[in-house]
Amino acid sequence: QQQVKQSPQSLIVQKGGISIINCAYENTAFDYFPWYQQFPGKGPALLIAIRPDVSEKKEGRFTISFNKSAKQFSLHIMDSQPGDSATYFCAATSSGDYKLSFGAGTTVTVRA
Amino acid sequence: DSGVTQTPKHLITATGQRVTLRCSPRSGDLSVYWYQQSLDQGLQFLIQYYNGEERAKGNILERFSAQQFPDLHSELNLSSLELGDSALYFCASSVGGSTETQYFGPGTRLLVL
Repeated sequence: QQQVKQSPQSLIVQKGGISIINCAYENTAFDYFPWYQQFPGKGPALLIAIRPDVSEKKEGRFTISFNKSAKQFSLHIMDSQPGDSATYFCAATSSGDYKLSFGAGTTVTVRA
Repeated sequence: DSGVTQTPKHLITATGQRVTLRCSPRSGDLSVYWYQQSLDQGLQFLIQYYNGEERAKGNILERFSAQQFPDLHSELNLSSLELGDSALYFCASSVGGSTETQYFGPGTRLLVL
């Protein structure tokens, strides 16, 4: 079963807009939550990651918000650009585990 | 470029055949992970090796096997191939045994006809 649930499946945003992708998990042992960006024909690339001891992490136009009590985390892409058009995966793992559990992915299309 | 290399880039084969996918991790990385990406199953963890030893197994079929060699490159062997094995196979590497900051290769696209 999918340990990390991701939504929406796809979204379209205008250039300059905000893209928001949400993920939820059940396993309270998860303590590391990375986001990966994947372009067609390429492998996933780490975009940004967060640990549950902080509620928000920002890197450039990308921000992760984390709600430990709700077991949810989200990726916000500010000032979305056409070059951000890609598939985004949230993932989760726990210390001592050896695998990433991925969400199903969200395809983001940024219209110029 | 993540520094992880995978060969071949594309592979077309027939049902019942056996193929070997190869992965070279980033310089200095001791862990190698294999993932399968398909339209219906998404990204699924298959297996992990750390410094030559198997560390974890995920949803890997018995027809599939892997190994990591002393020079740290890894091979994923897929045998008795079925149509449903058609997918993208990714290798990732990380510095240590932890899963943090995995760097993914460009993948091998396998098509079973």
